[in-house]
Amino acid sequence: GEDVEQSLFLSVREGDSSVINCTYTDSSSTYLYWYKQEPGAGLQLLTYIFSNMDMKQDQRLTVLLNKKDKHLSLRIADTQTGDSAIYFCAESSNTGGFKTIFGAGTRLFVKA
Amino acid sequence: DTEVTQTPKHLVMGMTNKKSLKCEQHMGHRAMYWYKQKAKKPPELMFVYSYEKLSINESVPSRFSPECPNSSLLNLHLHALQPEDSALYLCASSQDFLSVGYGYTFGSGTRLTVV
Repeated sequence: GEDVEQSLFLSVREGDSSVINCTYTDSSSTYLYWYKQEPGAGLQLLTYIFSNMDMKQDQRLTVLLNKKDKHLSLRIADTQTGDSAIYFCAESSNTGGFKTIFGAGTRLFVKA
Repeated sequence: DTEVTQTPKHLVMGMTNKKSLKCEQHMGHRAMYWYKQKAKKPPELMFVYSYEKLSINESVPSRFSPECPNSSLLNLHLHALQPEDSALYLCASSQDFLSVGYGYTFGSGTRLTVV
């Protein structure tokens, strides 16, 4: 079945850039997403990219998609302590009715 | 209004109790979802409602019973739960089930503890 994988932990210093990586297996993935979850809270949609795009930039966030390698990354510029959270990569496609599949989440720790 | 509101935020219930979780959105979204999230795990899909009809049930035990009274409300009725059902229960909505391109809006969840 479809699978989404991401590294579990990333630690960066405040002011540095963070890069969170994700790979997915479903070649028919149509939409790819990054969600942020702070402790005790629900998931917040940060950004999304359609599979016919290579890159999307939104303020401090840059999403890169390599469709050939099925690789998605999220770059956070000038990382702040408020960016400390779990970041979930997710994908959906019309396989099985547009269900969204989530990765295990990457815990980002920002050191002051 | 761009929020999904879930109540209660915390719930402790015994294994013989009956309780309900509630979810409300006023964004005109026609698809609503229940997810279960255990600690340090991704959300797992439980149910999908599309246009107030149950579209997907991910083989969830019958002690969980969803209900969609109207296009803005989604309930999850709980009965005879087990301690392993303790988790964060998340409600989400999207414009409709076949147009998830713009992602989901999640509520902040109900933290459920079964004792």
